[in-house]
Amino acid sequence: GAVVSQHPSWVICKSGTSVKIECRSLDFQATTMFWYRQFPKQSLMLMATSNEGSKATYEQGVEKDKFLINHASLTLSTLTVTSAHPEDSSFYICSARQASGGETQYFGPGTRLLVL
Amino acid sequence: DQQVKQNSPSLSVQEGRISILNCDYTNSMFDYFLWYKKYPAEGPTFLISISSIKDKNEDGRFTVFLNKSAKHLSLHIVPSQPGDSAVYFCAASERGGTYKYIFGTGTRLKVLA
Repeated sequence: GAVVSQHPSWVICKSGTSVKIECRSLDFQATTMFWYRQFPKQSLMLMATSNEGSKATYEQGVEKDKFLINHASLTLSTLTVTSAHPEDSSFYICSARQASGGETQYFGPGTRLLVL
Repeated sequence: DQQVKQNSPSLSVQEGRISILNCDYTNSMFDYFLWYKKYPAEGPTFLISISSIKDKNEDGRFTVFLNKSAKHLSLHIVPSQPGDSAVYFCAASERGGTYKYIFGTGTRLKVLA
């Protein structure tokens, strides 16, 4: 149980294009999903908290218009990197917290983004 | 300001021996702590957690100890196995808050056969 998937697992795009990453909780409902990014050999940095049916809460320094988050259902959150640039290249990971309670976050396998 | 720190970037342990990974935090409002294991290019896998009302939690080969006064927690793995080789992250959160996690910087564990 508590499986989270991400799609795509990796993506290469040209600078200036937008990329959408999906995060799905497969066997549970998630009222809250979280988006992280990780640079090589660094920690996971929380970007935003995504709540179903409401606007996402962004961490300090994360551009809302750059990283669009939509949490349209209890099993799906999407992160869109708009007008991607090479510095956006990173490993993006989502996690989900069960709607039924509990504090543990279950993580997806991550999406590697390379912007050329 | 790094609220959660793992001061040892790497650790090597002989197979069968105990691995001890350490984590320090500065925010006294944290009341829930977790350890995750992570392989390159994969998402973190939950290992074990502990609430601030406890000082120890055990699950199989994994035991987490919490010292609130020192704002320190540790993960013990015994016996260590080569398959335990990975990067280990500790994370902390405030239960009454947004449930968001603050991750430490990670410790790369290498278990030698």
